[in-house]
Amino acid sequence: EVQLVESGGGLVQPGGSLTVSCSTSGFTLSHYEMHWVRQAPGKGLEWLSYISGSGSTIHYADSVKGRFTVSRDNAKNSLYLQMNRLRAEDTALYYCARARDGLDYWGQGTLVTVSS
Amino acid sequence: SYEVTQPPSVSVSPGQTASITCSGDKLGNKYACWYQQKPGQSPVVVIYQDSKRPSGIPERFSGSNSGNTATLTISGTQAVDEADYYCQAWDSSTWVFGGGTKLTVL
Repeated sequence: EVQLVESGGGLVQPGGSLTVSCSTSGFTLSHYEMHWVRQAPGKGLEWLSYISGSGSTIHYADSVKGRFTVSRDNAKNSLYLQMNRLRAEDTALYYCARARDGLDYWGQGTLVTVSS
Repeated sequence: SYEVTQPPSVSVSPGQTASITCSGDKLGNKYACWYQQKPGQSPVVVIYQDSKRPSGIPERFSGSNSGNTATLTISGTQAVDEADYYCQAWDSSTWVFGGGTKLTVL
């Protein structure tokens, strides 16, 4: 069974840093491109980042470029999103998602709250 | 940056056909996907590559994409289809979601 489980969310002060993780199981992570998507409370979905199966190709949304860094460790079946210089508007539920036929599997999300 | 636009809300009576549109410049030249999200749940892909339906998605869900508009069509809409729907497209190394459409079945 394919599973994606995000973790690492929490409360962080503006300007602070946080790394969220996505632990995967039920498939070979290196065979799949992966994405991070977030959803602010009561709002729509916002695409954040893409990483290829090998990690050699990475893309970011303009809203996070230069502040967020995506990485993966295929041997550990894990995906990461390092977030720096966090702002109040980064408060959201952060999802990792597998890409095959669209984003075909999503985790349950981890909540990041940026507040003083 | 590329943008796609959806109507905020669509209403449909049970058993009728619901159509949700997604507009973007030359969207027909790109692939569109559609996701369904119910309250408190993660999104689920219902259409990918414009018109393909993942296994487990009912046949009443269909999609098309031409010109500047992609359309999600739900035939014989059921109460269980009430949800938020998001289109998604890819352009120049950027993936983008529409703002979402709340489908009300009443």
